[in-house]
Amino acid sequence: AQTVTQSQPEMSVQEAETVTLSCTYDTSENNYYLFWYKQPPSRQMILVIRQEAYKQQNATENRFSVNFQKAAKSFSLKISDSQLGDTAMYFCAFMKPRGGTYKYIFGTGTRLKVLA
Amino acid sequence: NAGVTQTPKFQVLKTGQSMTLQCAQDMNHEYMSWYRQDPGMGLRLIHYSVGAGITDQGEVPNGYNVSRSTTEDFPLRLLSAAPSQTSVYFCASSRSLGQQTYEQYFGPGTRLTVT
Repeated sequence: AQTVTQSQPEMSVQEAETVTLSCTYDTSENNYYLFWYKQPPSRQMILVIRQEAYKQQNATENRFSVNFQKAAKSFSLKISDSQLGDTAMYFCAFMKPRGGTYKYIFGTGTRLKVLA
Repeated sequence: NAGVTQTPKFQVLKTGQSMTLQCAQDMNHEYMSWYRQDPGMGLRLIHYSVGAGITDQGEVPNGYNVSRSTTEDFPLRLLSAAPSQTSVYFCASSRSLGQQTYEQYFGPGTRLTVT
């Protein structure tokens, strides 16, 4: 069974600095999808970034980028120029389509606090 | 376009009571799912559906029932509430296989307390 591990329960970063959140996963599959979701204090889950495993190029969305290491099964999220609005819980998620359906597996989350 | 809506936002139940958490989406998504979020445990999949009339169990299905009679609605029923079901519940939807984004759209969540 697939598992997703986020080993940093809490992190903090100074405003305008860069922070990296780690995520590792365990799978024997070759084709899958990885996601980072953000959950601010409002509780609403928001997609931050998505990576297809068959793509070698790391995904980037404005200040957010990933370091996808397929062989190492690692999928870290880098937030550049951190802003107060980045304060949130961040969840890493894995998804593998299989047999006409698909399920998401989420990590336990990293609580990020951006300090003024 | 309201996206994914959930009702109620908050609910308090007594042990043994039953209730239904409502979830609806207006994006014509085939795939819908229910998660519970507990401190330190992330989001755990309860049940999911890949289309009307098709449902399947996730990681923690015990004590919950679902049905999917329409594409839009995916209610979650608690048959006999227990304190262990105190949690925040999220409904999510996404496009079907073959539409390759697989992004999930989440509802605002329901905070349920069972006393």
